[in-house]
Amino acid sequence: KAGVTQTPRYLIKTRGQQVTLSCSPISGHRSVSWYQQTPGQGLQFLFEYFSETQRNKGNFPGRFSGRQFSNSRSEMNVSTLELGDSALYLCATQRPGTDTQYFGPGTRLTVL
Amino acid sequence: AQTVTQSQPEMSVQEAETVTLSCTYDTSESDYYLFWYKQPPSRQMILVIRQEAYKQQNATENRFSVNFQKAAKSFSLKISDSQLGDAAMYFCAYRSGETSGSRLTFGEGTQLTVNP
Repeated sequence: KAGVTQTPRYLIKTRGQQVTLSCSPISGHRSVSWYQQTPGQGLQFLFEYFSETQRNKGNFPGRFSGRQFSNSRSEMNVSTLELGDSALYLCATQRPGTDTQYFGPGTRLTVL
Repeated sequence: AQTVTQSQPEMSVQEAETVTLSCTYDTSESDYYLFWYKQPPSRQMILVIRQEAYKQQNATENRFSVNFQKAAKSFSLKISDSQLGDAAMYFCAYRSGETSGSRLTFGEGTQLTVNP
């Protein structure tokens, strides 16, 4: 069974640019959550989508946004990139009726 | 808000020995789930073990077991017969069972080194 896939795996951008990251869940998984991982702040929850609706949101500025499509694939967008946005962005997906999330390999974003 | 604390930034163990990683959490909820995830150098987060708060029996998955002390809000991970492949960053995580959604709250992580 295919796992969670994230594209791209690596990305280099400059300050002020915007970026879009993609997450494709395991078949049958309808919940997609996004996390930011940095050495200083650790793992922080960004937001969660379920059935194309944002179900939860973490404490991040409005520059961070996301969406989910009817096939459960999700994208997150970061506008006006800052140096501090350099991080590993992980998505995690979950099947309805279960309590366990499975993570993708992450997208490493570097902002110069 | 729930918090998760891992007080051991680094731990080391000899191959074939046993090691215990500590985790404490703070919550006012009675229904929740606790997880241990492993993150090797590849950065892929891998589920190690899960525990449902309403189950008194400690979860076990092969060489991995937990000691869940609900009253003390403690959730430690024991790795038996440690192998070189167990070397990784280990994260303890909390998920509410009382609110909708799948949001995980993570601890700071414990870097485990396995010495041959």
